[in-house]
Amino acid sequence: GQNIDQPTEMTATEGAIVQINCTYQTSGFNGLFWYQQHAGEAPTFLSYNVLDGLEEKGRFSSFLSRSKGYSYLLLKELQMKDSASYLCAVSDSNYQLIWGAGTKLIIKP
Amino acid sequence: DGGITQSPKYLFRKEGQNVTLSCEQNLNHDAMYWYRQDPGQGLRLIYYSQIVNDFQKGDIAEGYSVSREKKESFPLTVTSAQKNPTAFYLCASGEAGEAYNEQFFGPGTRLTVL
Repeated sequence: GQNIDQPTEMTATEGAIVQINCTYQTSGFNGLFWYQQHAGEAPTFLSYNVLDGLEEKGRFSSFLSRSKGYSYLLLKELQMKDSASYLCAVSDSNYQLIWGAGTKLIIKP
Repeated sequence: DGGITQSPKYLFRKEGQNVTLSCEQNLNHDAMYWYRQDPGQGLRLIYYSQIVNDFQKGDIAEGYSVSREKKESFPLTVTSAQKNPTAFYLCASGEAGEAYNEQFFGPGTRLTVL
């Protein structure tokens, strides 16, 4: 079967750094997406990784290791507005997105 | 502006009634998707369509129906057969059959069945 695992909830302090992990087992791999979803709103695209390594985009970075079936999203200089759920999704062999359950990130002052 | 719209934002229905949720996109995307999200949960795929006049069941299609008569529109009907229809419904669109298949989401419809 296909499976994506993320921690359910994480807490971090404003101004700090947090790493959200995602491990996956899917039938085929055509890339991994990270989305941000604020409560009651639609998910919005953050990043896409298809090759191994780190992709940096401002305060957010995403890392992928295909051999380990592992990715992480790194958020730096945390702000209160970063409080949200972060969804990991893998594009499988049929180009369908398989979604993780999401990680709720709580930022404390 | 290109985008994807869903209406209404909030919807209330009595138990036993069918209800149709609207989804329209002007991004010229071939693929459209319907997801259900329950509190504290991830996205679960209800139905998807990769081309006009064709659609496929997702993981939780029972109690739902869809149509895809136009490229721009993909309405979802929640029927009385759906046991627990109260949820947040998200529609998305994207390119079909491509490795880079970012999905773009509408604002969602929160359905409450009384």
